[in-house]
Amino acid sequence: KAGVTQTPRYLIKTRGQQVTLSCSPISGHRSVSWYQQTPGQGLQFLFEYFSETQRNKGNFPGRFSGRQFSNSRSEMNVSTLELGDSALYLCASSLEGGRGTEAFFGQGTRLTVV
Amino acid sequence: KQEVTQIPAALSVPEGENLVLNCSFTDSAIYNLQWFRQDPGKGLTSLLLIQSSQREQTSGRLNASLDKSSGRSTLYIAASQPGDSATYLCAVEGFQGAQKLVFGQGTRLTINP
Repeated sequence: KAGVTQTPRYLIKTRGQQVTLSCSPISGHRSVSWYQQTPGQGLQFLFEYFSETQRNKGNFPGRFSGRQFSNSRSEMNVSTLELGDSALYLCASSLEGGRGTEAFFGQGTRLTVV
Repeated sequence: KQEVTQIPAALSVPEGENLVLNCSFTDSAIYNLQWFRQDPGKGLTSLLLIQSSQREQTSGRLNASLDKSSGRSTLYIAASQPGDSATYLCAVEGFQGAQKLVFGQGTRLTINP
């Protein structure tokens, strides 16, 4: 059974550009959530999607957005990149999302903004 | 607002020792607590999931306990090996109807051969 797949693994972008990250959840999982990991702030929740609907959103500016497709694959978009957006972006999938179901994480996308 | 704290931030022990990692959380209204392992530059690997109604879970040399009323969890690693060296993170899920984990800052564990 394939795990959570994130693409690309590494990205280098310039300030002001935008970027799109992709996450394919484990087959059968309907919930995808996104997290940002930085040395200073640790792991912080960005948002969660279930059945193509955003159910919860963390405390991030509107430059961070996402969507989920009918096959449960999810994309995250960051517009007008800032240096502080450099981070490891992780996505997690779970069967139902919430209600105590186990979360499984991908390998992450390392974004560097220069 | 839920806050999760892990102590110690770093731990270095010789191979073969048994060790305990600690995790505390401020709001006991949780669905579950999950322990993860993270190798440098990699994603998170789920180690153990404890539902709020459970007291402990075991997997191989790992045993995690949960005391919801006191807001504490411990991860016990028996007979540590150099391959156990990694950062260990705990995360709790609250009752917000969506998959949203609140993480601690992690414990960086080094097992010396």
